[in-house]
Amino acid sequence: GDSVTQMQGQVTLSEDDFLFINCTYSTTWYPTLFWYVQYPGEGPQLLLKVTTANNKGISRGFEATYDKGTTSFHLQKASVQESDSAVYYCVLGDRDSNNRIFFGDGTQLVVKP
Amino acid sequence: NSKVIQTPRYLVKGQGQKAKMRCIPEKGHPVVFWYQQNKNNEFKFLINFQNQEVLQQIDMTEKRFSAECPSNSPCSLEIQSSEAGDSALYLCASSLSRTYYAEQFFGPGTRLTVL
Repeated sequence: GDSVTQMQGQVTLSEDDFLFINCTYSTTWYPTLFWYVQYPGEGPQLLLKVTTANNKGISRGFEATYDKGTTSFHLQKASVQESDSAVYYCVLGDRDSNNRIFFGDGTQLVVKP
Repeated sequence: NSKVIQTPRYLVKGQGQKAKMRCIPEKGHPVVFWYQQNKNNEFKFLINFQNQEVLQQIDMTEKRFSAECPSNSPCSLEIQSSEAGDSALYLCASSLSRTYYAEQFFGPGTRLTVL
């Protein structure tokens, strides 16, 4: 079945550090991949989405490439700010999932000033 | 800021009590989802609707959970007899489409604590 794996439970950085959050996925079809971000006290919100293999999504300085070869969708940002502190979820949906989406376990990003 | 409205934000119930929470989807969104997010940040899909009709629901929902999205009224999720394991954040999301590639817009959630 469909699944998403985020190995890092928490990442702690200082402002202006480079961010890399690992995400790999498993599916038998051609998924759409998302990154959602959840700030404290709020529901998740879409950060970026990529529907086509080998394409890159870019939003608010974040980027992720849908790599079909390595089944990965890692999230990167060149220079993080304290306001980026949140939980980041890698999410997958595909036609075999009955139109449901599947969330990874999330990565808590803590950015120190 | 969330445009999906969920009430109440916090709900405290004793075991065996009913717990009811409501959701007003974003205007113009015909599809509504309910998820349960536990303390480990794991998401569990519960049920979804298109307009007033149930699209899918998991087995757990069929037993103690009930939900509806009546016309011109908020959607609701009700737990008939709360258990300690039901303590979680219940998230409502709405979307323009039922398809897997459509963005879902989430509310802030109702945090249920079952004592």
